[in-house]
Amino acid sequence: QVQVVESGGAVVQPGRSLRLSCAGSGYSFSGYGMHWVRQAPGKGMEWVAVITHDGSRQYYADSVKGRFIISKDNSKNTTYLQMNSLRLEDTAVYYCARWYGSTYWFDPWGQGTLVMVSS
Amino acid sequence: QTVVTQEPSFSVSPGGTVTLTCALSSGSVSTNYYPSWYQQTPGQAPRALIHSTDTRSSGVPDRFSGSILGDKAALTITGAQADDESDYYCVLYLGNGVWIFGGGTKVTVL
Repeated sequence: QVQVVESGGAVVQPGRSLRLSCAGSGYSFSGYGMHWVRQAPGKGMEWVAVITHDGSRQYYADSVKGRFIISKDNSKNTTYLQMNSLRLEDTAVYYCARWYGSTYWFDPWGQGTLVMVSS
Repeated sequence: QTVVTQEPSFSVSPGGTVTLTCALSSGSVSTNYYPSWYQQTPGQAPRALIHSTDTRSSGVPDRFSGSILGDKAALTITGAQADDESDYYCVLYLGNGVWIFGGGTKVTVL
């Protein structure tokens, strides 16, 4: 079945870097873009970034622009989120979700991976 | 700064009907924002319910429906069931590769 699975979450100190991965399966990975969405503990969801199907365009929320980089390796069926200069407020569960074509929605979602920024 | 507002919480009786809304601080929500709705139950991955304003995702029961009500996007649950007790999020596409989530609505069925 179509699914996406995140990995790479960890406890990291402020100012350090971390890379998350999102593996897609059950569909033509190169034909779809991918989003990252995060949810801080006890809070609502926040859209973080998206990459087009071919990796040619990336878009970011203002809160992470200049610090996070989204990339896509279609040969490995994997999307990445490189998170640099991490802050305490970046602590969250990070979800990846497939960008479902020209109708601008998210499906399916992964189970999420926890990133905790703590000194 | 653009903000999307949802009701913080709603309570509905089993078998009852509830309508959740999604408002945009900068103006009216229209189909051009491609409103979509997601259900999040604790411990589970979020699940897509509605996209493109009123199209149900595959496998979603027809008691869930989406629409534009006045100047807001809306999600209606008709004939609520116990397992509809969840958090519900709307998402709007603002254009230029930017999406924004509403703050979410917690629905209690009792």
